[in-house]
Amino acid sequence: EPEVTQTPSHQVTQMGQEVILRCVPISNHLYFYWYRQILGQKVEFLVSFYNNEISEKSEIFDDQFSVERPDGSNFTLKIRSTKLEDSAMYFCASRPNKKDTQYFGPGTRLTVL
Amino acid sequence: SQKIEQNSEALNIQEGKTATLTCNYTNYSPAYLQWYRQDPGRGPVFLLLIRENEKEKRKERLKVTFDTTLKQSLFHITASQPADSATYLCAPQTDSWGKLQFGAGTQVVVTP
Repeated sequence: EPEVTQTPSHQVTQMGQEVILRCVPISNHLYFYWYRQILGQKVEFLVSFYNNEISEKSEIFDDQFSVERPDGSNFTLKIRSTKLEDSAMYFCASRPNKKDTQYFGPGTRLTVL
Repeated sequence: SQKIEQNSEALNIQEGKTATLTCNYTNYSPAYLQWYRQDPGRGPVFLLLIRENEKEKRKERLKVTFDTTLKQSLFHITASQPADSATYLCAPQTDSWGKLQFGAGTQVVVTP
């Protein structure tokens, strides 16, 4: 069964450094999402992406964040200058159309020191 | 602002019993409500979706109800098994295609 994959599984970085989290959505999916979950807290929406542009973003998704679909398979989340409070699990999700549900990847654990 | 509330205390239940979880929401009227399962360190996994015009939905040992008057959904796991131990998240939605807004989740622990 096709799955959403994410790399790396764990990323450790120094405060102020840039990180890129990578996702490979399921191949025929058209809608893409990033969520994050701070340890012990709920899963929070960051951004949705469709037709090569952002369709919605949350207050968390400020100028330090950006998303890109550089080719036909990858979907990336970039954090330009990481802060301690960016430490969290980051989940990518995709869906094939508007009616189907979202399929989540296994997540990338980001630790900012 | 929109609020989603789930029991924050873990639900400890004996194998074979029925687990019942509650999801309450305020300040909006979702047309859909989804339930997901999340295991530690893993992404949410979709379980069931119920629409506002459906009172009840079943899938194997799972049952979901949706009461738009009470602004509440109940999630039942019948004949629970230790493998059902996980955190269960509810996500009421106003549209089927937008972002998901999750509750904090309720942890279920099923003991043999």
